[in-house]
Amino acid sequence: KAGVTQTPRYLIKTRGQQVTLSCSPISGHRSVSWYQQTPGQGLQFLFEYFSETQRNKGNFPGRFSGRQFSNSRSEMNVSTLELGDSALYLCASSWTGLEGNEQFFGPGTRLTVL
Amino acid sequence: QKEVEQNSGPLSVPEGAIASLNCTYSDRGSQSFFWYRQYSGKSPELIMFIYSNGDKEDGRFTAQLNKASQYVSLLIRDSQPSDSATYLCAALNYGGSQGNLIFGKGTKLSVKP
Repeated sequence: KAGVTQTPRYLIKTRGQQVTLSCSPISGHRSVSWYQQTPGQGLQFLFEYFSETQRNKGNFPGRFSGRQFSNSRSEMNVSTLELGDSALYLCASSWTGLEGNEQFFGPGTRLTVL
Repeated sequence: QKEVEQNSGPLSVPEGAIASLNCTYSDRGSQSFFWYRQYSGKSPELIMFIYSNGDKEDGRFTAQLNKASQYVSLLIRDSQPSDSATYLCAALNYGGSQGNLIFGKGTKLSVKP
């Protein structure tokens, strides 16, 4: 079974631009969660989608948004990029996202904001 | 604020020894706990998870959970240089129909040949 895939793997943007990242979950998984990883803050939860609905949201500004499609693929968007948005963005998929379902991570998208 | 705390390390052990990684969590409502391994430049890889008090063994790995003390640990027996990585402890923040992982900042393990 193929794992979680994320595109692109690397991205360089400048301040003020916007960016869209894509995540394809493991086949059959309906929950997709997004995390931001930085050296200082570690892994922080952004949001989770299940059946095209955002079920849960972390403490990030509204510039961070996402969506999920009917095939469970998910995208996240960051508008008006700031230098502090430079990070590794990881998505994780699970069957339901609930207790008892492990989350499996994709390889991540490394975003650099100049 | 729901938190997961880990000693950042680095924890250095000789090859063949037992590595003990520890984690505490603040939310008594957390029920599920996960250990991930992350090599430098790579994404986290799930090692094992535990829901019930006590020990759970999987090969060279043993996870231990003590809900009364809000404490989770991971033991790695017969440590190998390939085990050198950052180990992330996570608690599933489960509220009704939703759940997300709260991660500690990780413990860096170095296994010396």
